[in-house]
Amino acid sequence: AQTVTQSQPEMSVQEAETVTLSCTYDTSESDYYLFWYKQPPSRQMILVIRQEAYKQQNATENRFSVNFQKAAKSFSLKISDSQLGDAAMYFCAYRSAGSIARQLTFGSGTQLTVLP
Amino acid sequence: DAGVTQSPTHLIKTRGQQVTLRCSPKSGHDTVSWYQQALGQGPQFIFQYYEEEERQRGNFPDRFSGHQFPNYSSELNVNALLLGDSALYLCASSSSAGTGNNQPQHFGDGTRLSIL
Repeated sequence: AQTVTQSQPEMSVQEAETVTLSCTYDTSESDYYLFWYKQPPSRQMILVIRQEAYKQQNATENRFSVNFQKAAKSFSLKISDSQLGDAAMYFCAYRSAGSIARQLTFGSGTQLTVLP
Repeated sequence: DAGVTQSPTHLIKTRGQQVTLRCSPKSGHDTVSWYQQALGQGPQFIFQYYEEEERQRGNFPDRFSGHQFPNYSSELNVNALLLGDSALYLCASSSSAGTGNNQPQHFGDGTRLSIL
């Protein structure tokens, strides 16, 4: 079974600064997808960015980028120019490419606080 | 274009009771997954419905059951409620069309279930 570990329960960053959230995972599979989801107090899980394991290039979405290290099974999220609206719980998630249901396995989350 | 909608928003039950939660998928989506998110934790996969059948199930007891209707909407039923069933229940929908394996799941706002 796959596991996802987020070792930082809480992080804080000054507005306009850069912060990196860590995620490691354990799997014996070679083909899979990785995701970062954001969950604000409104509770809706919002997809921030995703990475296909077969792609060596790190994914980027505007101010959000990842550092995907497949051999190390590491998938960190970098948020540049942090904004107050970035404050939320961030979850790293894994999805097998082979699973018929394609269900997500989540980490325990990192609570990000953005300081004005 | 409505996203994933869940009802009710919040529900209070007592131990031993039964509860039904409802989910309408995003327009164009035919697959519905249910997740349980305990306080301070990441969501855990309960099961997934596709073509009105349970396609895959996570590590949850038979007290948790579901249904999918011809219009793709879904229900999650929990019998003999326990205190430990208190959680946020999230519904996620996705499409099986095209390169279905690459389709992200879209989440609803969840139903907060409190067991007294």
